[in-house]
Amino acid sequence: AQSVSQHNHHVILSEAASLELGCNYSYGGTVNLFWYVQYPGQHLQLLLKYFSGDPLVKGIKGFEAEFIKSKFSFNLRKPSVQWSDTAEYFCAVKLTTDSWGKLQFGAGTQVVVTP
Amino acid sequence: DGGITQSPKYLFRKEGQNVTLSCEQNLNHDAMYWYRQDPGQGLRLIYYSQIVNDFQKGDIAEGYSVSREKKESFPLTVTSAQKNPTAFYLCASRPRGAQDNEQFFGPGTRLTVL
Repeated sequence: AQSVSQHNHHVILSEAASLELGCNYSYGGTVNLFWYVQYPGQHLQLLLKYFSGDPLVKGIKGFEAEFIKSKFSFNLRKPSVQWSDTAEYFCAVKLTTDSWGKLQFGAGTQVVVTP
Repeated sequence: DGGITQSPKYLFRKEGQNVTLSCEQNLNHDAMYWYRQDPGQGLRLIYYSQIVNDFQKGDIAEGYSVSREKKESFPLTVTSAQKNPTAFYLCASRPRGAQDNEQFFGPGTRLTVL
């Protein structure tokens, strides 16, 4: 069965610390990959996406993610977090053959950055 | 100002009542989606639609119904058959065309069934 796994449900870290959130997927085909973020009280918004080409993708607010096809992973990173990065982060996967554009989401990781 | 609106932001209903959640978009997007968000479970797809008068069941369609009479509108009805309706409901839309188009999300409606 197709699935998306996010390794950590909750992460607490201090400002200036580095962040890495894991995402693994189980899909039998070529995929498109996304990271969405939900800041407190705000819309779910796109951080970055991978469709093809360079497996290291840069997104908004200093985030980046690396697609490692052999490991079925798409981990999100930020070298130095700020208090404003407190949010819930969701990894999502779409089959490239899916013309409906349906996304399968991971369970999410709640990140709390302390001052 | 283009975007997706969902109303109301908070909704309370008694058990056994049907309730309809509104989703409107002025982005001229063809595809629209409804998700349910529960703590620790991420977003799960309820229904989706690619064009007017056509829609498909998602992973958890039981107890829900939708309509797509207009391109800009995709209302979701939570029926009394839905066993655990209390949740945060998110509507999304996506333009047709390039396969790398992402989904855009509305602000959500938090439904509480008492």
